[in-house]
Amino acid sequence: SQTIHQWPATLVQPVGSPLSLECTVEGTSNPNLYWYRQAAGRGLQLLFYSVGIGQISSEVPQNLSASRPQDRQFILSSKKLLLSDSGFYLCAWSVRHRQRLAITDSYEQYFGPGTRLTVT
Amino acid sequence: SQQGEEDPQALSIQEGENATMNCSYKTSINNLQWYRQNSGRGLVHLILIRSNEREKHSGRLRVTLDTSKKSSSLLITASRAADTASYFCASGGSNYKLTFGKGTLLTVNP
Repeated sequence: SQTIHQWPATLVQPVGSPLSLECTVEGTSNPNLYWYRQAAGRGLQLLFYSVGIGQISSEVPQNLSASRPQDRQFILSSKKLLLSDSGFYLCAWSVRHRQRLAITDSYEQYFGPGTRLTVT
Repeated sequence: SQQGEEDPQALSIQEGENATMNCSYKTSINNLQWYRQNSGRGLVHLILIRSNEREKHSGRLRVTLDTSKKSSSLLITASRAADTASYFCASGGSNYKLTFGKGTLLTVNP
């Protein structure tokens, strides 16, 4: 069965410090990978998604970057954290399909446990 | 931009009652999905309904989809205290991305 791991679970970092959050998936190959941020009491904002090694798409301009050095590893980074970077970060994966999805394609996303980041 | 908008934002019911949550979206979709999130945890996929379907059931869950109104509803029957969580709808188009709403916080009182 497939599992998705995120670490650390919680993180408190000072403003201006670097950040590295890691996400790994087990039990599947060639997954699509996603990074979301969830502000308190809000929905999920898609930050990055990746359809393959080294292929990263950014959804919103921000202080963060993402990398996919291996097929099942997705890393979220920042060189200098801002107070506004605080939030709950979620990694997710889905099965990879052809470029343009058909109505019959299923692409449920499976989420990791999340990382609670507090920037002080 | 966020497409899914859940209604109500918060819902409090007694155990045994039914809970209904609604979702609206703005553009054409391939499918509409519902997820559940327990406090401080990741999201869990509950059910997916395709754009050519009108109703779907899974256990105590019933989802409807009205593409003419760009809306969906999630019904949880005979609710339990363990159903207490936030529920999100997510609209899926022809690419890999899902657009999530802000969620409905459901509280089921024992």
